[in-house]
Amino acid sequence: EVQLLESGGRLAQRGGSLRLSCQSSGFSFSDYVMGWVRQAPGKGLEWVSSISGSGLSRYYADSVKGRFTVTRDNSRNTLFLQMNSLRLEDAAMYHCVKLGRRPSEGWLDPWGQGTVVTVSS
Amino acid sequence: EILMTQSPAILSVSPGERATLSCRASQSVTSDLAWYQQRPGQAPRLLIFGASTRATGIPARFRGSGSGTDFTLTISSVQSDDFAIYYCQQYYNWPPITFGGGTRVEIK
Repeated sequence: EVQLLESGGRLAQRGGSLRLSCQSSGFSFSDYVMGWVRQAPGKGLEWVSSISGSGLSRYYADSVKGRFTVTRDNSRNTLFLQMNSLRLEDAAMYHCVKLGRRPSEGWLDPWGQGTVVTVSS
Repeated sequence: EILMTQSPAILSVSPGERATLSCRASQSVTSDLAWYQQRPGQAPRLLIFGASTRATGIPARFRGSGSGTDFTLTISSVQSDDFAIYYCQQYYNWPPITFGGGTRVEIK
């Protein structure tokens, strides 16, 4: 069974930093594109970032470009999201998601339960 | 960026009735369209990919159709578990991956 378990979410100050992690199991992690999707309280879904299986290709939403960095450690089956220069509007539930083996297989399945990021002023 | 628009925002149906949800893309996404269900307090789960292919374990009452810019998710006979928010997502031209704003299916 494919499982994604996020951690690292907590209360952070505006302008501060956080590092989210996503421990994966049940599939050949390095073969798949992985990503992050966030959902602010009471709002819809917003794609944040994705990374190729090798880690060589990384993609970001304009809203986080230059502030967030996605990486992966294929030896530990773990995905990361380094979040710097946090803004109030970054407060959300952050979900780790698995995409396909190729970028053309861009559906998201499964989703982790998420980790909550809160940003205070 | 491809914009995704869902309608209606809220759909009120009685159990056993058919529910029809719409999703429109601002430009053609061919069949690169997925649907997700999000129940309260839960993470979204994939229902449909490739516009019409049901994901593993998804009941046959969920049917996806359409191509190009106009897509439909039909729930043939709504069950109590189906009252949730449904999102469409395009993956034809990314980044960015984009989602519709969601349709809430509520009990009438």
